[in-house]
Amino acid sequence: AQSVAQPEDQVNVAEGNPLTVKCTYSVSGNPYLFWYVQYPNRGLQFLLKYITGDNLVKGSYGFEAEFNKSQTSFHLKKPSALVSDSALYFCAVRLMEYGNKLVFGAGTILRVKS
Amino acid sequence: NAGVTQTPKFRILKIGQSMTLQCTQDMNHNYMYWYRQDPGMGLKLIYYSVGAGITDKGEVPNGYNVSRSTTEDFPLRLELAAPSQTSVYFCASSYPELAGKYEQYFGPGTRLTVT
Repeated sequence: AQSVAQPEDQVNVAEGNPLTVKCTYSVSGNPYLFWYVQYPNRGLQFLLKYITGDNLVKGSYGFEAEFNKSQTSFHLKKPSALVSDSALYFCAVRLMEYGNKLVFGAGTILRVKS
Repeated sequence: NAGVTQTPKFRILKIGQSMTLQCTQDMNHNYMYWYRQDPGMGLKLIYYSVGAGITDKGEVPNGYNVSRSTTEDFPLRLELAAPSQTSVYFCASSYPELAGKYEQYFGPGTRLTVT
C-alpha cells in the first residue's frame, strides 16, 4: 500500500538549533512529495514540494527538505529553529488516483523552546 | 484572493441531524477535495471533484454526499449525523495536472462534534 510514515510523534529543539522532522514514504513510481504545517485551529499551509530535479528543495519560512530516493525519505530541515516554528507538521505524497489525492503521514509536533 | 473559505468554523450536532459544510474557492481551481482529520492521524479523503458537475468518492465516503454545480463551490452534506463523524473537516483545492502546480490549498477547517 502507498503510505507515508512520520516516525516521531514529537520533536523538541532549542531555539537557534537546527531541526529535522523525518518522513519516509512507500509509493510506486516517482513520488511527488510535500510538507505542510498546521498551526492551532488553522488549516494546513503548504511549505515545500519535491517533484523532480535537485534533491534539496527550499520552501517557505527558511525550511528545506532533502529527497533521498535510496532511503525513500524526505526529511524537513531548518538550520536555526524559531519559537514561532512550533506547530504540527505533515508529510504527504500525491497519488495518481482519486483526483491526485494526497496521502498524509500522522503528523509530527515540533516544539521549539527558548 | 481569499483562497479557500469554509463555513461554519464550529458546529455541534445531535445524532440523526443533518447539515451542510460550505466550501468556496476563488482561485479558479478545477480540483476540489474534502478531507477529515481525526486526532493523531493524517487526513483522510472523503470526496473529490475534478470539475463542475463531476464528483467521486474518496477513501471514507459513507455518511456523506457532495455536489459541484459551480467551479467555486463544493459543499459537503452530512445526513443522519453519527458520533463517528466527530472530526475536523478540511476543504482543499488545486490546479489541474497540466498547470504544473501540484500542491493543494486548504481552508481553515470546520470542527464538528456529534453528540
